Amino acid sequence: DTGVSQNPRHKITKRGQNVTFRCDPISEHNRLYWYRQTLGQGPEFLTYFQNEAQLEKSRLLSDRFSAERPKGSFSTLEIQRTEQGDSAMYLCASSLERGNGYTFGSGTRLTVV
Amino acid sequence: AQRVTQPEKLLSVFKGAPVELKCNYSYSGSPELFWYVQYSRQRLQLLLRHISRESIKGFTADLNKGETSFHLKKPFAQEEDSAMYYCALSGTGNTPLVFGKGTRLSVIA
Repeated sequence: DTGVSQNPRHKITKRGQNVTFRCDPISEHNRLYWYRQTLGQGPEFLTYFQNEAQLEKSRLLSDRFSAERPKGSFSTLEIQRTEQGDSAMYLCASSLERGNGYTFGSGTRLTVV
Repeated sequence: AQRVTQPEKLLSVFKGAPVELKCNYSYSGSPELFWYVQYSRQRLQLLLRHISRESIKGFTADLNKGETSFHLKKPFAQEEDSAMYYCALSGTGNTPLVFGKGTRLSVIA
């Protein structure tokens, strides 16, 4: 197990296009989190899953954002009709339910032009 | 509401000098506090958590509930400590982490 894996590492897209990111967590971790980070800010919580159930969504997560975790394994985060304000680093993390902290992936950097 | 405040965006110290990175939080319940570190071109990683009461890479942090603080300290800074440091809080029921905006530590040789 090489930790939390995120793909792609970078994505450049035109405004209005849809994009999808993937996160593969540590296999024994049942919790999976998505965060967004912009320049000069700390990671901001978007949503999280416990197994396949999506337990919480931030108000930052507009209707254009959707996340899934089928079968409680990998997760995808889709952004529809991208806007320039969506440009950010999207971070995925996983943990045990009562864990010792999160393990983060390297992130997917999205640039909307 | 949960909030984490790191008042310093940048902290510069000389090698061998003591370091204190400040973190204050706002939470009405019993929080769990963490420090995460991000070295240049690396992913965010856990440095330490308050309930373990351990020292990692010479760093310690004590939860002060009276002052609602969780400052990170190291007696003698090393050049390899230069990184971005984030304080984070999890609320009762193991709620998702809320992060501060981070402090960039620069250790000058």
